Amino acid sequence: ETGVTQTPRHLVMGMTNKKSLKCEQHLGHNAMYWYKQSAKKPLELMFVYNFKEQTENNSVPSRFSPECPNSSHLFLHLHTLQPEDSALYLCASSSNKDPGAETQYFGPGTRLLVL
Amino acid sequence: AQKITQTQPGMFVQEKEAVTLDCTYDTSDPSYGLFWYKQPSSGEMIFLIYQGSYDQQNATEGRYSLNFQKARKSANLVISASQLGDSAMYFCAMREPGGSFGTGTSLTVIP
Repeated sequence: ETGVTQTPRHLVMGMTNKKSLKCEQHLGHNAMYWYKQSAKKPLELMFVYNFKEQTENNSVPSRFSPECPNSSHLFLHLHTLQPEDSALYLCASSSNKDPGAETQYFGPGTRLLVL
Repeated sequence: AQKITQTQPGMFVQEKEAVTLDCTYDTSDPSYGLFWYKQPSSGEMIFLIYQGSYDQQNATEGRYSLNFQKARKSANLVISASQLGDSAMYFCAMREPGGSFGTGTSLTVIP
């Protein structure tokens, strides 16, 4: 059993749909992250939450809306997406006790296709 | 700002041989950490090894070792005795603040 789970694993949606990605970590960590991985591009950090508070938002369009109700759960709400938003969305968590040394543990990702 | 550079888009290695994956970085922070991750075709990013900037010795984890040269700002991953299951994408990363990942190196292990 992995420490970080993501659902769904695959998602196909139209540009007018609203959907949500879910991430859950079972590692007792305090920090959670959303990354976007597009083909032939570096992994892009989208959002960071520490103790349920958003600490980083790397100029992500408002059609992506994160939610962190507690330290174990992280959501990414999607609406009116564009085809270029098709990518692998990875969730990660870390303990955040030593910021320079925090190992991030990743979930399996959600492969999103926007039609 | 931090930056990670991986100059090898693809690498091939014979099974049981050793391979070195290159990573250079750029940061103005005096204290930082470098990570290597493996990403199989399934998509999950798997943590392999960590090197702290003040660590006196190069990190090792089983068949993985990190050739850390601070003055040259390089943190190359060495995989010894390659196995077929090592075929995957490998990413070098740096964390805090902001953090960044390299573009990755695709490693193929040949039987």
